[in-house]
Amino acid sequence: QVRLQESGPGLVKASETLSLTCTVSGGSISSSNYYWGWIRQPPGKGLEWIGSIYYSGSTYYNPSLKSRVTISIDTAKNQFFLKVSSVTAADTAVYYCASWVPTSDNDYWGQGTLVTVSS
Amino acid sequence: DIVLTQSPATLSLSPGERATLSCRASQSFSGYLAWYQQKSGQAPRLLIYDTSDRAAGIPPRFSGSGSGTDFTLTISSLEPEDFAIYYCQQRSNWLTFGGGTKVEIK
Repeated sequence: QVRLQESGPGLVKASETLSLTCTVSGGSISSSNYYWGWIRQPPGKGLEWIGSIYYSGSTYYNPSLKSRVTISIDTAKNQFFLKVSSVTAADTAVYYCASWVPTSDNDYWGQGTLVTVSS
Repeated sequence: DIVLTQSPATLSLSPGERATLSCRASQSFSGYLAWYQQKSGQAPRLLIYDTSDRAAGIPPRFSGSGSGTDFTLTISSLEPEDFAIYYCQQRSNWLTFGGGTKVEIK
């Protein structure tokens, strides 16, 4: 069973860079056909896709966040990463890392981590 | 960009009743349509993928249907544990989520 675990600071100052790590266990981050991505959920609101990286290394970003977001991967450590620059209070959310295969029920989520942006 | 619009925003029903949730896309897309259930404080849980296939371990009272731009999640007879928020999702090289439908106890 694939397990994902987010880690990183729970508090980030406005204008700084939010950095999170997702550690994958029980499976390889190099597995064919898998996407690895980040989704966030502001308190009391819905889900917003941030971006994804395909097992081949191709990256895809939400156009509304693209200028501030970088997703990368470290296959040796079985981890992938999120960076969001120039954060504001609007970036306060629970951040989930997830992996999926679009055509199957191979779909895994971390427990989520709350990141608060302080002024 | 594809926009997914879910309706209604809130559905007030009693246990045992049938729930019908709608998800409408702003345009036809080549990706796949999925449905998730989310309970308070938990990560979303995949119910349906590729419009109508139930994920492993999902009870048969959950079913998905649709094509083109109109998709439906049906819960045939609500159990107490089904009261939650449901999201539709378009999955291709990128993801799009609908705004969610809250199924609450009447």
